Amino acid sequence: DAKTTQPNSMESNEEEPVHLPCNHSTISGTDYIHWYRQLPSQGPEYVIHGLTSNVNNRMASLAIAEDRKSSTLILHRATLRDAAVYYCILFNNYGQNFVFGPGTRLSVLP
Amino acid sequence: GAVVSQHPSWVICKSGTSVKIECRSLDFQATTMFWYRQFPKQSLMLMATSNEGSKATYEQGVEKDKFLINHASLTLSTLTVTSAHPEDSSFYICSARDSSRTLTEAFFGQGTRLTVV
Repeated sequence: DAKTTQPNSMESNEEEPVHLPCNHSTISGTDYIHWYRQLPSQGPEYVIHGLTSNVNNRMASLAIAEDRKSSTLILHRATLRDAAVYYCILFNNYGQNFVFGPGTRLSVLP
Repeated sequence: GAVVSQHPSWVICKSGTSVKIECRSLDFQATTMFWYRQFPKQSLMLMATSNEGSKATYEQGVEKDKFLINHASLTLSTLTVTSAHPEDSSFYICSARDSSRTLTEAFFGQGTRLTVV
């Protein structure tokens, strides 16, 4: 499985934008970039995914570099409920499982 | 949105007993489900891939005779921790994807916290 690297932790102030980076320099042409987050004592929750173009949904935006070797998850206005561990995962339909790295622990300060 | 339901949310059992955890996809069919284990302050670790109608595929280092997986239908997979010991205490999480759609997101259960005393 292709690997991703993320910062161990990040901090943000409430109501400010947050940019969570992910490096995936060995990404293959068929790999989709998925983001999930995990709140304490809960299972992971889907956030967003994309292939080449930037993506937006009600939770976040995903900005994908032109060479696809990195991506950034953007939370436009962080709230206290966004405090979680965020995982960036590469996935294609040939690799059947999702492999989780350490993720980024996001703290949101009031 | 699609929902994966995991039961129970928590369980306490005595050492040497067996515990069954259920994972159901509520509004989609899943030919494949995944089981993870997560220790405190660590990431999710894939234990096995559950395949409907066939044997599960276990990751290296996971004992298949200790962690029994059954995927009897397209909406239900079960994980049985046999002869549980305190070191099996962990947070167990299942996930599933909609088999009718390709390259879709995975949906995760809410997790089961197992404590073996």
